[in-house]
Amino acid sequence: DTEVTQTPKHLVMGMTNKKSLKCEQHMGHRAMYWYKQKAKKPPELMFVYSYEKLSINESVPSRFSPECPNSSLLNLHLHALQPEDSALYLCASSQPNQDRAGNTIYFGEGSWLTVV
Amino acid sequence: AQKVTQAQTEISVVEKEDVTLDCVYETRDTTYYLFWYKQPPSGELVFLIRRNSFDEQNEISGRYSWNFQKSTSSFNFTITASQVVDSAVYFCALLVLTGGGNKLTFGTGTQLKVEL
Repeated sequence: DTEVTQTPKHLVMGMTNKKSLKCEQHMGHRAMYWYKQKAKKPPELMFVYSYEKLSINESVPSRFSPECPNSSLLNLHLHALQPEDSALYLCASSQPNQDRAGNTIYFGEGSWLTVV
Repeated sequence: AQKVTQAQTEISVVEKEDVTLDCVYETRDTTYYLFWYKQPPSGELVFLIRRNSFDEQNEISGRYSWNFQKSTSSFNFTITASQVVDSAVYFCALLVLTGGGNKLTFGTGTQLKVEL
């Protein structure tokens, strides 16, 4: 079983709604990630948090707002989304910037988001 | 910039056949890491194998084996005696360490269908 858990598994939201995706990891990792994956495409990096600080933002629109309350939790706040934002959102974790075995990135099961 | 190419979009095999998934990568970094992930229809990206650029030892693990050839920039993955449960999308990915965090570059994925 994965040690990266995401909730909810499925979310349907209107374009005026505010919702959040949540992620928790139990591996003691200090880097956490949000990826977006459209159908039949590879995952695309959105954000990276390293030691609870935002270290990478891949020019993501401000309607997506990440938050890292502590080293094991990661949230993605959603507001005023568009239908084209419908996708699978994957959370992941790893040790930051370490070589050898430490930098394997482990993914959660994802949250399927539909914007109507 | 990093690039990963999976030329095979879709492969169909009959159960018990062996199947090889191809992956070719490009990077100017001398230290890098290569991964294979499996994504079943449920959505979770499952980590399968990791190889460092300085370790060309190939390996067999159960029905899985990997062939890392630095000279041809290839990192191929073979499933022996395929089973229906192996049906999934398989992603090859390349990781280089950056100042802000670990960035994975994914290939476009290979859809493997194993039929009875």
